[in-house]
Amino acid sequence: AQSVTQLGSHVSVSEGALVLLRCNYSSSVPPYLFWYVQYPNQGLQLLLKYTTGATLVKGINGFEAEFKKSETSFHLTKPSAHMSDAAEYFCAVRDLFGNEKLTFGTGTRLTIIP
Amino acid sequence: DSGVTQTPKHLITATGQRVTLRCSPRSGDLSVYWYQQSLDQGLQFLIQYYNGEERAKGNILERFSAQQFPDLHSELNLSSLELGDSALYFCASSVGGGGYYNEQFFGPGTRLTVL
Repeated sequence: AQSVTQLGSHVSVSEGALVLLRCNYSSSVPPYLFWYVQYPNQGLQLLLKYTTGATLVKGINGFEAEFKKSETSFHLTKPSAHMSDAAEYFCAVRDLFGNEKLTFGTGTRLTIIP
Repeated sequence: DSGVTQTPKHLITATGQRVTLRCSPRSGDLSVYWYQQSLDQGLQFLIQYYNGEERAKGNILERFSAQQFPDLHSELNLSSLELGDSALYFCASSVGGGGYYNEQFFGPGTRLTVL
């Protein structure tokens, strides 16, 4: 079964610093990959997705992620953190065909230090 | 606003009781998915319906059941509730169910507390 591993349940960065949230997937066939953000007491919002094509994916709010097949990774980055980025971030995976369910990682809580 | 609505927003009930969570998908979406978010299990897929029929099943307990009605809204029924069922239940919807990529749009969730 598809799975994703998020390294680091909590990450703290200073405002203006680089944000790097790590995600590795387990599949021999590149799947669909996603990053979702969850603000306190809210639902999940799609930040970006990798389906096919370009391996560097740009999302909303200045986030981007790079799909690296050789490393089975899909890390999320943002060059300069903003206070409003404080939230929980989930990496998710979906098979290319068949079952459309999303399998989520355990999440990374991002704290921004003023 | 994703266009997916869920009611109620909060639900507090006692062990042994039964509750129904309701989801209305985005206009035009045929697929509805239910997910559970708990401290113990994280975010996990429960079940998917496509145009009224069950399409896929995940880690859904036998005490839980769901259905999708002709108007495409869906209900998740949880019975014989236990303390461990306390969680945030999300509904998501997407256009199709044909296997190719369809973005899932998530509702705001229903927070269930079992006392």
